Amino acid sequence: AQTVTQSQPEMSVQEAETVTLSCTYDTSESDYYLFWYKQPPSRQMILVIRQEAYKQQNATENRFSVNFQKAAKSFSLKISDSQLGDAAMYFCAYKPGANSKLTFGKGITLSVRP
Amino acid sequence: DAGVIQSPRHEVTEMGQEVTLRCKPISGHDYLFWYRQTMMRGLELLIYFNNNVPIDDSGMPEDRFSAKMPNASFSTLKIQPSEPRDSAVYFCASSYYRNTEAFFGQGTRLTVV
Repeated sequence: AQTVTQSQPEMSVQEAETVTLSCTYDTSESDYYLFWYKQPPSRQMILVIRQEAYKQQNATENRFSVNFQKAAKSFSLKISDSQLGDAAMYFCAYKPGANSKLTFGKGITLSVRP
Repeated sequence: DAGVIQSPRHEVTEMGQEVTLRCKPISGHDYLFWYRQTMMRGLELLIYFNNNVPIDDSGMPEDRFSAKMPNASFSTLKIQPSEPRDSAVYFCASSYYRNTEAFFGQGTRLTVV
């Protein structure tokens, strides 16, 4: 069974600084997809970024980028120029290519200090 | 598109009562998922449908839980009878094709007293 591990329950970052959120996963599949979702206090789940396992290039979306290390099964999220609105829970998620079963990590609570 | 729509946003019910949560997926999406979120267990996939057919219900905790999708634009998750340990936020999500991300509704916060 696939598992997704987010070992840090909480992190804090100063506004305008950079923070990296860690995620590891376990799978025997070669075809899969990885995601980071953001859940602000409104509890809406918002997709931040996605990465296809077959792509070697790391995905980027404005201030958000990932460091995808396939061999190490690591998928970290870097947030640059942190803003107060980035404060939320962040979930790492895995989906195998063969089906749609999206598995989430436990999440990490990010706080941003003004 | 209005996104995935769930109702109600909040539900408070007494133990033993039947609870029905509702979901309208994004038009054109052919996958629908029901998740449960708790502090202890995080986000758990309960069941998902493809083209209105249940594909994997291995996450449904007990026979008290049932889910239906009578057509492409509507799904329900029913708990009968409800118990306090069912208290959680229940999310519905949909996606267009198996390789795309899931879009979530705003969730239903269920409290069973």
